[in-house]
Amino acid sequence: DAGVTQSPTHLIKTRGQHVTLRCSPISGHKSVSWYQQVLGQGPQFIFQYYEKEERGRGNFPDRFSARQFPNYSSELNVNALLLGDSALYLCASSLAGYEQYFGPGTRLTVT
Amino acid sequence: QKEVEQNSGPLSVPEGAIASLNCTYSDRGSQSFFWYRQYSGKSPELIMFIYSNGDKEDGRFTAQLNKASQYVSLLIRDSQPSDSATYLCAVNGDFNKFYFGSGTKLNVKP
Repeated sequence: DAGVTQSPTHLIKTRGQHVTLRCSPISGHKSVSWYQQVLGQGPQFIFQYYEKEERGRGNFPDRFSARQFPNYSSELNVNALLLGDSALYLCASSLAGYEQYFGPGTRLTVT
Repeated sequence: QKEVEQNSGPLSVPEGAIASLNCTYSDRGSQSFFWYRQYSGKSPELIMFIYSNGDKEDGRFTAQLNKASQYVSLLIRDSQPSDSATYLCAVNGDFNKFYFGSGTKLNVKP
């Protein structure tokens, strides 16, 4: 069975630009969560979606938004990029939101 | 105070020994606890989860939970060089938030 997939793998953007990251969960999983991980730290929770509804939100500014589609895939959008947004963005898939399985991540570099 | 605290390490153990990794958390209402392994340059991999006080064993791994002390631990028996990685503790919090510690780096020496 395919695991969690994320696209793109790497991305380079300029300050002030907008970015969209995509995630497809494990087949049968209805929940997707997004995390930001900077080097040397653990993942920081951004959002959790379950059955297309936002179920949890971390302490991130409104520049960060997400949505989940009817096929349970998800997008994370970040507006007005800052240098500090450079990080590994991880998507995690779960049946109902608890045991989460991570995708390979998208490495975002903001210059 | 961070929601989840872990000793950053590195924790060095010889091959074949027991590695003991510890984690404390601040939210007494937390109900779900997870251990992830992360190799350098890779994404985290779920290795254990525990919801009830006590021990839970899976192969060489044992997770231990003590809600009264707000303490979670992971024991790795017969440690192998391939176990060398960063181990992340994660806890669920209010409003379906999840909190990760910064991880403990484990080195298993052949």
